[in-house]
Amino acid sequence: DAGVIQSPRHEVTEMGQEVTLRCKPISGHDYLFWYRQTMMRGLELLIYFNNNVPIDDSGMPEDRFSAKMPNASFSTLKIQPSEPRDSAVYFCASERGGPSNQPQHFGDGTRLSIL
Amino acid sequence: QKEVEQDPGPLSVPEGAIVSLNCTYSNSAFQYFMWYRQYSRKGPELLMYTYSSGNKEDGRFTAQVDKSSKYISLFIRDSQPSDSATYLCAMSALRQAGTALIFGKGTTLSVSS
Repeated sequence: DAGVIQSPRHEVTEMGQEVTLRCKPISGHDYLFWYRQTMMRGLELLIYFNNNVPIDDSGMPEDRFSAKMPNASFSTLKIQPSEPRDSAVYFCASERGGPSNQPQHFGDGTRLSIL
Repeated sequence: QKEVEQDPGPLSVPEGAIVSLNCTYSNSAFQYFMWYRQYSRKGPELLMYTYSSGNKEDGRFTAQVDKSSKYISLFIRDSQPSDSATYLCAMSALRQAGTALIFGKGTTLSVSS
């Protein structure tokens, strides 16, 4: 079974540009999470969805960030306009609903550099 | 104070050593505790999880939780070069699908042969 797939793996762009990160969760998983990882702050939850509906976006840093999940197999995280402080590794994770003890499965991340 | 504190290391040990990785936390509501392993340029993967206090063993790995001290540990016996990675502790108050996890910053471990 394919894991969580993220694209692109690396993104380098200039400040002010729009950035779109993409995620394909594991088929059959009901939950999708977006995290951001930096040396300073570690791994932080930005937003998560249940059955394509955003449940908690309290971790989204500001209005420049938005996330969508138009269907069960695709989600995007968009930053517009981007700033150098947005440079980080962004991870998507998915989780199957139902009984407890189901781990979150992470993708390999998108390494974002804003110049 | 951050909810979960973890010494970033780096920690360097020779092959075969016993490794101890630790996290402290401040939220007494946390009941589920996890350890994730993250290889360079990869996403975290779940290594072990425990509920409440006590020990759990899985092969060379032992997870230990002391809720009275708000302290959790991961022990690695007979460490191998393949154990070289960053180890992240994570915890939550609930263990049901969709629960947000609070992560430590991770400890980087290097095992030399």
